[in-house]
Amino acid sequence: DAGITQSPRYKITETGRQVTLMCHQTWSHSYMFWYRQDLGHGLRLIYYSAAADITDKGEVPDGYVVSRSKTENFPLTLESATRSQTSVYFCASQGLNYGYTFGSGTRLTVV
Amino acid sequence: QKEVEQNSGPLSVPEGAIASLNCTYSDRGSQSFFWYRQYSGKSPELIMFIYSNGDKEDGRFTAQLNKASQYVSLLIRDSQPSDSATYLCAFRPLNDYKLSFGAGTTVTVRA
Repeated sequence: DAGITQSPRYKITETGRQVTLMCHQTWSHSYMFWYRQDLGHGLRLIYYSAAADITDKGEVPDGYVVSRSKTENFPLTLESATRSQTSVYFCASQGLNYGYTFGSGTRLTVV
Repeated sequence: QKEVEQNSGPLSVPEGAIASLNCTYSDRGSQSFFWYRQYSGKSPELIMFIYSNGDKEDGRFTAQLNKASQYVSLLIRDSQPSDSATYLCAFRPLNDYKLSFGAGTTVTVRA
């Protein structure tokens, strides 16, 4: 199916564990983004990518790592999860009109 | 100074009324403006984009852009309970491809 998909939809993990959130888009969009959304903070940009093998830090990158070996995939890894990383994570890709299309999100709980 | 300011809300309107949402932005050179709707527990969904000064209508939604005054607004005519959601405005700053998002305004349409 065409679109942007995130997995898993829900994840519970323990403090200190490594977690990878997956994002896959089928449009071959160059630009992709990772956001977290918390009550009172709105959308905050974690990392973004302009193309395969080109990534850059956003507003809140600490504790996160990204890679982009293929245009269609943009995984986000929490190297050692902390409770403050409990959040809803959205991946997005940018179309020709510059608007974003967001994935369905991953709700991550760190216990 | 925040890049994007939205009326804080929440905004409560009766069914059938007009809901008016406002957004101001700081980057005078911005070219592209977007409105997203986000239902509770869901991801943001693009509902309108506007590039030129004036009004753009799509069904019950009208986006209005005034670049000289640096504001963009969204009118929802004949508001329905299904319009109850948080509305995010976003713009693309000059010389950047990343969008800047407002914190959102929550709209409740009461029957």
